[in-house]
Amino acid sequence: GQQLNQSPQSMFIQEGEDVSMNCTSSSIFNTWLWYKQDPGEGPVLLIALYKAGELTSNGRLTAQFGITRKDSFLNISASIPSDVGIYFCAGQPGVTDKLIFGTGTRLQVFP
Amino acid sequence: GAVVSQHPSRVICKSGTSVKIECRSLDFQATTMFWYRQFPKQSLMLMATSNEGSKATYEQGVEKDKFLINHASLTLSTLTVTSAHPEDSSFYICSAIATGIDIQYFGAGTRLSVL
Repeated sequence: GQQLNQSPQSMFIQEGEDVSMNCTSSSIFNTWLWYKQDPGEGPVLLIALYKAGELTSNGRLTAQFGITRKDSFLNISASIPSDVGIYFCAGQPGVTDKLIFGTGTRLQVFP
Repeated sequence: GAVVSQHPSRVICKSGTSVKIECRSLDFQATTMFWYRQFPKQSLMLMATSNEGSKATYEQGVEKDKFLINHASLTLSTLTVTSAHPEDSSFYICSAIATGIDIQYFGAGTRLSVL
């Protein structure tokens, strides 16, 4: 099935550092979503973006909906150990359409 | 946020047996539920879209006779893996869209191990 290109594939950072990851697509999406998945769990929604150019924050997380509607990025500021996990972007062509998931970014935070 | 419950969380079965996984929306009605499969260190891949009261729509390459989906009520969808084989071992995750709210809420997943 179709997948979105997500980078980087993995990141190993020190506690307190900022993190940035992005997601690109060859097709346009009307909604971009960012999820976090802990081992053995389902994904948990972090941020939802509905408009091109939209910049949305959720605590230390900030995400933007690219102006071309073909990309999105997620920033995490001042990382902490509980940020460890796999982050997935997901694009949605229409409001109740199926989600297309990115390949994931595995984040490790060292104290 | 809305809660989606998935049961069982883990199942181990012998090759050739069938396994049923339940997905329930606990505090909302879901006209649409989705079933995903996730292999180790990979992303979620959509298997099928389940609509209450109608037949599920399967993604290309997913065998509908092997992965039976039933969405009999607005709060329950089931996935049955029939005649399971070791290659069916995976993490199965469901999600549900609340009617009128355009966000998918995910269950905690079911880890299936076929011996």
